[in-house]
Amino acid sequence: KAGVTQTPRYLIKTRGQQVTLSCSPISGHRSVSWYQQTPGQGLQFLFEYFSETQRNKGNFPGRFSGRQFSNSRSEMNVSTLELGDSALYLCASSPVWNTEAFFGQGTRLTVV
Amino acid sequence: TQLLEQSPQFLSIQEGENLTVYCNSSSVFSSLQWYRQEPGEGPVLLVTVVTGGEVKKLKRLTFQFGDARKDSSLHITAAQPGDTGLYLCAAIISSGSARQLTFGSGTQLTVLP
Repeated sequence: KAGVTQTPRYLIKTRGQQVTLSCSPISGHRSVSWYQQTPGQGLQFLFEYFSETQRNKGNFPGRFSGRQFSNSRSEMNVSTLELGDSALYLCASSPVWNTEAFFGQGTRLTVV
Repeated sequence: TQLLEQSPQFLSIQEGENLTVYCNSSSVFSSLQWYRQEPGEGPVLLVTVVTGGEVKKLKRLTFQFGDARKDSSLHITAAQPGDTGLYLCAAIISSGSARQLTFGSGTQLTVLP
């Protein structure tokens, strides 16, 4: 069974640009969550989608958004990038709503 | 303030030594999970503990859930360099109909050969 796939693995963007990250969950998993990981703040919850609906959102500004498609694949978008958005963005999938999480390898975003 | 406090934050030991890391909270949880994250990878689930006082063993790793379900510990016996990584505890936090997996700040373990 294939694991969670995140693309791209690495990304360098300039301040003010926008970025879209992609996540393909494990086949059959309907819940997808996104996390931001930084050395200072650790793993911070961004949002969670289940059956194309956003079920929960963390304490992040509106520049961070996401969506889930009918095949459970998910994307997250960050607009007007800031230097502080540099982080490892992790996607996790679960069989049902927010149970044990299976993580992808992450997308390392660097904003310069 | 972190809902889940992990200690120590950093730990560097020699191969063969034993160690314990802790995950503490003032909240009661229905379950608690432990993950290990290696450099360049996402966290990998090690175990879920659900019953107060529960002890689970995974080879040289022993996980314990506190009797009051507010804290947990991870003990590693005879640590090996392959145990190096970031150890994270996590709990599902419910607020109304919303639930989210919340992580502690982690313990960065380095096992030196």
